[in-house]
Amino acid sequence: QKEVEQNSGPLSVPEGAIASLNCTYSDRVSQSFFWYRQYSGKSPELIMSIYSNGDKEDGRFTAQLNKASQYVSLLIRDSQPSDSATYLCAVTFSGSARQLTFGSGTQLTVLP
Amino acid sequence: GAVVSQHPSWVICKSGTSVKIECRSLDFQATTMFWYRQFPKQSLMLMATSNEGSKATYEQGVEKDKFLINHASLTLSTLTVTSAHPEDSSFYICSASVRTGVSYNEQFFGPGTRLTVL
Repeated sequence: QKEVEQNSGPLSVPEGAIASLNCTYSDRVSQSFFWYRQYSGKSPELIMSIYSNGDKEDGRFTAQLNKASQYVSLLIRDSQPSDSATYLCAVTFSGSARQLTFGSGTQLTVLP
Repeated sequence: GAVVSQHPSWVICKSGTSVKIECRSLDFQATTMFWYRQFPKQSLMLMATSNEGSKATYEQGVEKDKFLINHASLTLSTLTVTSAHPEDSSFYICSASVRTGVSYNEQFFGPGTRLTVL
């Protein structure tokens, strides 16, 4: 069974702090890794994709991938109340025909 | 990112009726679209993979005769919930796969359709 696991939280951080979200996956041959943000009652929005080991930065967001440890994380710098949402980690496993397997999501609250 | 639309955004229907949900890729062609269902406080559950010009591939436990999927063009996939019952009430979300590299694809989601069956 190919799985993606996230800390369900909830995670609370003060405004301006760094929020750290973590995700592990079960298949060592996984290819593609994504972070989606989902506001309550809305559909997921792609915020980061990462395909190779290391860090990828986009504005206040940094994704980190470590394939040896089967671990992917998302850091949100200078967290804002508008970042309060559920963050979904998603993985494309090898041979899955582009299907995403989602973690259960981590609910983040940024306190003003 | 690529834009995916869904229609309707919400629908209320009586038990036993059928409901059709449309998913369109607005600025790109999508050979593959996906249909998900999400219940409150839960993560997304993949229902089926919709391929243009061929039959959809359904996930285990999803009734293909109840959830009819048609992907007749490169920009449109439809999901029909037949003989809907209250337990079908959920948030239905489609996504489209876009190639972003030689071996990579990204999925972009539509805004979702909230179905309430009375």
